[in-house]
Amino acid sequence: AQKITQTQPGMFVQEKEAVTLDCTYDTSDQSYGLFWYKQPSSGEMIFLIYQGSYDEQNATEGRYSLNFQKARKSANLVISASQLGDSAMYFCAMRDSSGATNKLIFGTGTLLAVQP
Amino acid sequence: DTGVSQDPRHKITKRGQNVTFRCDPISEHNRLYWYRQTLGQGPEFLTYFQNEAQLEKSRLLSDRFSAERPKGSFSTLEIQRTEQGDSAMYLCASSSWGETYEQYFGPGTRLTVT
Repeated sequence: AQKITQTQPGMFVQEKEAVTLDCTYDTSDQSYGLFWYKQPSSGEMIFLIYQGSYDEQNATEGRYSLNFQKARKSANLVISASQLGDSAMYFCAMRDSSGATNKLIFGTGTLLAVQP
Repeated sequence: DTGVSQDPRHKITKRGQNVTFRCDPISEHNRLYWYRQTLGQGPEFLTYFQNEAQLEKSRLLSDRFSAERPKGSFSTLEIQRTEQGDSAMYLCASSSWGETYEQYFGPGTRLTVT
């Protein structure tokens, strides 16, 4: 069965510093997709970044980058130059490719607090 | 292009009452998902629609839950005879065909059963 593990319940970072949020995954599929979402206190899940299993380069989107280490089955999110508005829950997710739905399987999340 | 919208944003109901939530996906998206998120957890899949067809239901979706997507546009999720354990955030997401199938989420409906 596919599984996402996020071992950091909470993280602190100083404003303007970089922070890495950990994510490991478990799957027996060769083709899969990994996502990171941000959930502010308002509740909406905001899509941040995607990494496909066959992508040769790590994904980047502005201040977000994904450190993809396939052999270790890790897909860590790196946020550079943290801002106060980055304070939120962050979820790592995997696309379930066992059926045709492409539903997402989420980890338990990491609460990031950016300190001034 | 508006995002995914959900209504209501908050619902407080007494145990045993029925509730209905609505989701309006991004207009060109033919794939629609419902998830449930309890405190301290990530969202869990409930059900999936492709156009108007409900193609998958999670075992989390008991007989008291029903979802529809008439004409492949908006979707409704109904919970009958609510229980305190139904208290959660109900999230709707939509996506279109594509390489990544990223899902775009609405703001959610927070249900409190008293």
